[in-house]
Amino acid sequence: DTAVSQTPKYLVTQMGNDKSIKCEQNLGHDTMYWYKQDSKKFLKIMFSYNNKELIINETVPNRFSPKSPDKAHLNLHINSLELGDSAVYFCASSTAGYNEQFFGPGTRLTVL
Amino acid sequence: AQSVTQLGSHVSVSEGALVLLRCNYSSSVPPYLFWYVQYPNQGLQLLLKYTSAATLVKGINGFEAEFKKSETSFHLTKPSAHMSDAAEYFCAVSEGNTDKLIFGTGTRLQVFP
Repeated sequence: DTAVSQTPKYLVTQMGNDKSIKCEQNLGHDTMYWYKQDSKKFLKIMFSYNNKELIINETVPNRFSPKSPDKAHLNLHINSLELGDSAVYFCASSTAGYNEQFFGPGTRLTVL
Repeated sequence: AQSVTQLGSHVSVSEGALVLLRCNYSSSVPPYLFWYVQYPNQGLQLLLKYTSAATLVKGINGFEAEFKKSETSFHLTKPSAHMSDAAEYFCAVSEGNTDKLIFGTGTRLQVFP
């Protein structure tokens, strides 16, 4: 039983394309997150949603648009992909209030 | 703003030796601190967390960490390294009254036989 799942695991695409990454959690959590891990393993939060409401929105290009259709899902859509978008994207979830965040297995995005 | 510094991007130990991974934090409010482990090609898994209760925190896989306010440190230790401990370790701090985690740059632990 996967707690936080992401699809796809690998995504290879050309510059300029639009792509989406899906995330689902079956833990009953009310808060979900997207993180970006660069080639040097540095992890930075991009967005967080609480009960489908955007809570955290870091200085991320507006080509990135998160969408939360319900509490259990937080998808990430990326328009006009650039080389610098190549990274591993992690979804995570938690209950509110400094609690443990459960991470998905990651999606490795490669932009050619 | 809160921040985390992990000293040493790579740490190598022999199997059976003490593991010490260093983490210092900066926070204007009482921090919540976390250690996560990332095995190759996997997501992050929580090892342990400090949430203003006991200063010595025990986690999974024999790891523990001690919160030292005077030193603004939260170093991770394990008395005896195992080959399976080889991974990337991240220290993180919660920012203020949000659920935002600020991560350190990570420390790669190598364990030699």
